[in-house]
Order: sequence, then structure tokens, then C-alpha cells
Amino acid sequence: GAGVSQSPSNKVTEKGKDVELRCDPISGHTALYWYRQSLGQGLEFLIYFQGNSAPDKSGLPSDRFSAERTGGSVSTLTIQRTQQEDSAVYLCASSSYNTEAFFGQGTRLTVV
Amino acid sequence: QKEVEQDPGPLSVPEGAIVSLNCTYSNSAFQYFMWYRQYSRKGPELLMYTYSSGNKEDGRFTAQVDKSSKYISLFIRDSQPSDSATYLCAMKTGGFKTIFGAGTRLFVKA
Repeated sequence: GAGVSQSPSNKVTEKGKDVELRCDPISGHTALYWYRQSLGQGLEFLIYFQGNSAPDKSGLPSDRFSAERTGGSVSTLTIQRTQQEDSAVYLCASSSYNTEAFFGQGTRLTVV
Repeated sequence: QKEVEQDPGPLSVPEGAIVSLNCTYSNSAFQYFMWYRQYSRKGPELLMYTYSSGNKEDGRFTAQVDKSSKYISLFIRDSQPSDSATYLCAMKTGGFKTIFGAGTRLFVKA
């Protein structure tokens, strides 16, 4: 695709349910990032992929959060047993060696 | 200590003012410096991209890098209400990984 695609764009879920957020990066981009923006808060780093491996997952806030990337392309961020404090916009970005990072439009997650 | 520090604001200025947005960093290996702009309910988009030290100008926007002080700035001249957004600095070494600041929210009042 022409840009980074994220789905769904909006997700409302009940507390305690699991959710999966998808990111489809720009073709050929080997680096992929997940970030979170809570209402009124700054950009918070979650995890960084280089190819299919995650050399930096230091930003994942708890073991309820996990992410994987397959085929060096699509990535899925999974949040188990969602809590209200998980409500935020989840942003995905991708880049290659000599380019800047390009962002998707984000998934707005609301936990009710 | 975070690798990149950025004051979250909010910063509120009157229309026509000169705006100065700043970031400090700790990793002296950073060589590529970027500024992104994020409008409400949108993903961040690249605004300025500079390599190493010095200034880069693009219209009303000037990006400045001082590697000796580990300090970068974005200046906006003749600010407009349409400049109201969150501005994020970003930087990387010669490799893949880009490190972002948390972002500064800017409000330009008409």
C-alpha cells in the first residue's frame, strides 16, 4: 500500500476482553514501531521491530501487552484482559534504513 | 533518563508570534534529526528533516541542530491558528531505529 495502514480505526471493547490491533507497514520497511497516546498525554513508546524480531520491547506496560510481526510485514499488538487505563490511541510507524518513520492514522481504543 | 526530552506544554501563543520548540537528547551518536506535526485525530507527519548540525529553513519553519549542546529547535515565524498541533522531535543514528520525543502541544490563538 501507499502508506501505513492500521485497523480497526476505532475499537470499543468491554473491560476484561482481549483486543488485537493490526498494522500493515509500507512495503519494504524493515523497522516497525508501536506507540501509545493517552488523552492529553505524550507519545509513549511500546515496542520496536527490526524484521520479525523485537530488539526493544521495553515500553510494553505490562505482561497483558504483546506484539508479533510475521513475514517482516504485518504486525499485531494484542492487549489481554483490557482495563480502562488502556484506553488510548495506538499508533504504528514504519521506516527503512535511510528514510524517516511514517505513521498510520492510529487505532482509537476505548475500554468501557 | 529518557534519550530524548521534550516539554509537553501546552504552549499557547497569539497569532503572528514566533514559536520556539525544543528537545534535548543524551546520545551523541544521533546524526539525523526530524520534526513531525500531528493534527488532532491524525497520525504524525514529517515536517523537517536535517542531518548533523546547522540550520534548515522551509518557508516559515526553521530547524536548528546544536550537536555540541545536544539540543535541537524548531522555530515557527508568523504563527497561524492552522499551526495549532502537537509537534514531535525525532532522531536517529545511521541505523534504523528512530527515537521520538513525547511531543509539545501548541495552540495559536487568533
